[in-house]
Amino acid sequence: EIVLTQSPGTLSLSPGERATLSCRASQSVSSSYLAWYQQKPGQAPRLLIYGASSRATGIPDRFSGSGSGTDFTLTISRLEPEDFAVYYCQQYGRSPLTFGGGTKVEIK
Amino acid sequence: QVQLVQSGAEVKKPGASVKVSCKASGYTFTNFYMHWVRQAPGQGLEWMGIINPSGGSTSYAQKFQGRVTMTGDTSTSTVYMQLNSLRSEDTAIYFCARTIITPYYFDYWGQGTLVTVSS
Repeated sequence: EIVLTQSPGTLSLSPGERATLSCRASQSVSSSYLAWYQQKPGQAPRLLIYGASSRATGIPDRFSGSGSGTDFTLTISRLEPEDFAVYYCQQYGRSPLTFGGGTKVEIK
Repeated sequence: QVQLVQSGAEVKKPGASVKVSCKASGYTFTNFYMHWVRQAPGQGLEWMGIINPSGGSTSYAQKFQGRVTMTGDTSTSTVYMQLNSLRSEDTAIYFCARTIITPYYFDYWGQGTLVTVSS
């Protein structure tokens, strides 16, 4: 199975700062079949990005995704208070579908 | 609007079974696949398997093969996930999540169902 490693585990930033989250795959993710989700406490995950770089419906343009092959990045250009949460990457190029361990973006 | 509404929290003893439901509304039930994903307390997300509500075909993660059964009822737009031989490590929040036929990224999620396994 494809193992996804997210880094850092925790990112401590202030509102207005830029956040850069990394997701590295143990094998190449075919067709850039990589998604990013945001999860807040007590809630289900919410789709942010699919196809490595396409924003889901209703997602603000401060969220952007990039990358291909084994290295992917989620960037939040200017953190808003509601962006402090845990972020997961997921690959869907090969079964079983797998998720990264998550990056927590916390308020500094 | 698309909604996935799951059944309520469950408490089970080790060795028992649990069946969680997920009722879909706001879209054509048979035009999308449904998956189950679980999350142990304070942990990450783990994919369990997929069901095609149109026809009922399924595919399960190897870890759950032989212990999980996913079914669907098109008359009520509901899918079910049954997990047998529960152990304490199965304590988790179980989510249903929708995908298009392909590729499999999850665009809508249920609210989650907490299953607690404890003697």
